[in-house]
Amino acid sequence: QKEVEQDPGPLSVPEGAIVSLNCTYSNSAFQYFMWYRQYSRKGPELLMYTYSSGNKEDGRFTAQVDKSSKYISLFIRDSQPSDSATYLCAMSARNSGAGSYQLTFGKGTKLSVIP
Amino acid sequence: NAGVTQTPKFRVLKTGQSMTLLCAQDMNHEYMYWYRQDPGMGLRLIHYSVGEGTTAKGEVPDGYNVSRLKKQNFLLGLESAAPSQTSVYFCASSFTTSGNTDTQYFGPGTRLTVL
Repeated sequence: QKEVEQDPGPLSVPEGAIVSLNCTYSNSAFQYFMWYRQYSRKGPELLMYTYSSGNKEDGRFTAQVDKSSKYISLFIRDSQPSDSATYLCAMSARNSGAGSYQLTFGKGTKLSVIP
Repeated sequence: NAGVTQTPKFRVLKTGQSMTLLCAQDMNHEYMYWYRQDPGMGLRLIHYSVGEGTTAKGEVPDGYNVSRLKKQNFLLGLESAAPSQTSVYFCASSFTTSGNTDTQYFGPGTRLTVL
């Protein structure tokens, strides 16, 4: 079982729809959770960062973490064509022994928002 | 403030040739990383550095070498390129004493083709 599982999609939705993107993980040491957005032929850019169970909202985006179920989600409200991108979840166990803050990434979900 | 920059943006090599990819960051980050991204494989860590003069192996280090002679620069070298090293390479950086330590900031990527 891979440490982080993410459905690669592709996911296609009409403009204005609510989008739900999800990742599951197996390592209970993961404490810090991020969502990155990657446009075609560009580098990933940080979208959301959270370290506790519950919801965190930023505009049209809501990140949800359920540590008991080892499950994280990203919701996009009123989706726009400009949201079309690949979304990557990432997690960190902040292993001080390793001396670095290594991230474990999901493989990404490709989202298309159709006008 | 340019963030993370990568040179070159594109490169085509013949099998057996060597090259160096340059990453530079102007955010005074301690940690720097090199990833490769391949279809269906997600982002995989090649090497990383927790500070000037230090480097460590990541998930897929074979065939690559790195150096961190200056805090702001992280070089990735291919001594004898192979077609299996055809990929998109991303550099990232993270960690300051004030701010989120886990979030990584990515460069725009280098597209490398080995014939």
